[in-house]
Amino acid sequence: DVKVTQSSRYLVKRTGEKVFLECVQDMDHENMFWYRQDPGLGLRLIYFSYDVKMKEKGDIPEGYSVSREKKERFSLILESASTNQTSMYLCASSLPGYSGANVLTFGAGSRLTVL
Amino acid sequence: KNEVEQSPQNLTAQEGEFITINCSYSVGISALHWLQQHPGGGIVSLFMLSSGKKKHGRLIATINIQEKHSSLHITASHPRDSAVYICALAMNRDDKIIFGKGTRLHILP
Repeated sequence: DVKVTQSSRYLVKRTGEKVFLECVQDMDHENMFWYRQDPGLGLRLIYFSYDVKMKEKGDIPEGYSVSREKKERFSLILESASTNQTSMYLCASSLPGYSGANVLTFGAGSRLTVL
Repeated sequence: KNEVEQSPQNLTAQEGEFITINCSYSVGISALHWLQQHPGGGIVSLFMLSSGKKKHGRLIATINIQEKHSSLHITASHPRDSAVYICALAMNRDDKIIFGKGTRLHILP
């Protein structure tokens, strides 16, 4: 069964802490995405990557960075967590090419609370 | 105006009822996705369609490109169908996906 695995389901961090959210996929997918999901807003794209060491900003990249050193792993980094980054974070992956025409496979999500 | 609108926002129904969730959009798309999100967060892709109709078990998805409208139907609904259903658009204009805000479905036993 193909999988996208997010390392932490629930995290509680303090304001100013550095936070790493890890995502690993076992499907050999080129495309990987990080979204955040907030009530009433739907999913919003933070960053995406079409290849190793490649990254592109999504719609809301401010306050975040990403790393993709290996094809299977896409990490989301909050350099200095703030309370407005309390959210559900979802990682997804897909086959190469036009992302909209490929099925997305999502991880289970990481619910981050910043105090 | 939002580019994608789902209706209803919330729906409660009895087990066995026929369910319809609607998605209307105002932009050119290459494909439309229906996703299911259970409590706890994980999202599963149900359908990706660009024309016509697709069926998988008790789920049916239709799309009318001219009217810019899609529906997701659930026949013989069951409490395990309780979830948030999300419509997502694959845009023509760029390589982006826009997500609807979701429809929260609750099926009572």
